[in-house]
Amino acid sequence: AQKITQTQPGMFVQEKEAVTLDCTYDTSDQSYGLFWYKQPSSGEMIFLIYQGSYDEQNATEGRYSLNFQKARKSANLVISASQLGDSAMYFCAMRETRTDSWGKFQFGAGTQVVVTP
Amino acid sequence: EAQVTQNPRYLITVTGKKLTVTCSQNMNHEYMSWYRQDPGLGLRQIYYSMNVEVTDKGDVPEGYKVSRKEKRNFPLILESPSPNQTSLYFCASSGGQGANYGYTFGSGTRLTVV
Repeated sequence: AQKITQTQPGMFVQEKEAVTLDCTYDTSDQSYGLFWYKQPSSGEMIFLIYQGSYDEQNATEGRYSLNFQKARKSANLVISASQLGDSAMYFCAMRETRTDSWGKFQFGAGTQVVVTP
Repeated sequence: EAQVTQNPRYLITVTGKKLTVTCSQNMNHEYMSWYRQDPGLGLRQIYYSMNVEVTDKGDVPEGYKVSRKEKRNFPLILESPSPNQTSLYFCASSGGQGANYGYTFGSGTRLTVV
């Protein structure tokens, strides 16, 4: 069963605007971590931001913030003041902590973001 | 520099010819993993390893083998590649099993099987 769902295959955003990338997840664990990665056209996977399930505050890293709504099981990435260099594929991922999930790290299908001038 | 190194970056091979993609990390990480990336499917875990000689199947293990004889190395072996294994492959490593441990990724290997 798909544990991470990203419903937006692609989106356009204008430079300097904010964009929200949706991510919902499914887990029965109480302790888990949510991650966002960026993959530019060059192909490498770049870690952006992390949110723990017990964190009471939403994570922020520079222009990236994570809108974490635990009851809804959503972890949306917000990119503020978009730049041309933000054009990339973005992946949401989850790490669970129960014994039979050690080592597993699951990804959504990704959202392709194109920033236009 | 802390990194995950995988080789080769690009590989074109023929159906049935055994190949190995190497992966090495210099961070003394216990966890290592292999993923394949296909359009519309995101990254899917092939195999992972929790330590030397401890490996387990991920979501798409069929047609692949791995070994973990040393902590730093985690090669991916395709004994008899087929065209449906044409994909972008990533090796990754993680320092622990807690929820806050993400994976650090290699640069990727683009494999084409003809």
